[in-house]
Amino acid sequence: KNEVEQSPQNLTAQEGEFITINCSYSVGISALHWLQQHPGGGIVSLFMLSSGKKKHGRLIATINIQEKHSSLHITASHPRDSAVYICAGYNTDKLIFGTGTRLQVFP
Amino acid sequence: GAVVSQHPSWVICKSGTSVKIECRSLDFQATTMFWYRQFPKQSLMLMATSNEGSKATYEQGVEKDKFLINHASLTLSTLTVTSAHPEDSSFYICSASRFKGLARSYEQYFGPGTRLTVT
Repeated sequence: KNEVEQSPQNLTAQEGEFITINCSYSVGISALHWLQQHPGGGIVSLFMLSSGKKKHGRLIATINIQEKHSSLHITASHPRDSAVYICAGYNTDKLIFGTGTRLQVFP
Repeated sequence: GAVVSQHPSWVICKSGTSVKIECRSLDFQATTMFWYRQFPKQSLMLMATSNEGSKATYEQGVEKDKFLINHASLTLSTLTVTSAHPEDSSFYICSASRFKGLARSYEQYFGPGTRLTVT
């Protein structure tokens, strides 16, 4: 069992839909990252959070430390949101990565 | 701010040759740099952690004599794949972190990656 689990693995949506990606972890972490990887491979850091909730544009990330769970929400999804979304927990000076969620948003 | 570059973005080399990949922090001093590899449709796998001026710490199963890491300055780390073989073909990504005040920030800034193909 991975120390950081994501669900779903694959997700398709119609443009405009509200999307949720979940991340659960079984190890202690200092912070949790949400990353976005586009087909070309480059990785963009969307959020780093250790408690509560953060919002940036149409993206919202939440974390519940007690339940060891985080969610990434995308409101009013758009085809340009199509990418792989990865959560990663910061544990003893290194990141432990989830397996990623492949999102496709169709017009 | 906090931009990390990698060079080259892609490279094709013949089996048995060595390839060097550079990772640079462009607008900050990177106290620690991380090297990852990623196979198709898989997540990132940490290969090694390097701190400026000291030897890299390799993850279990990663051959340090094959993947030479040098972190000679606060803005540059290099990964050299020695005697490359086709199974070394992969996407290599670096990231960098920096100090904020007295503590190292948990933020990691990722480079765009280098696609290595060994023929």
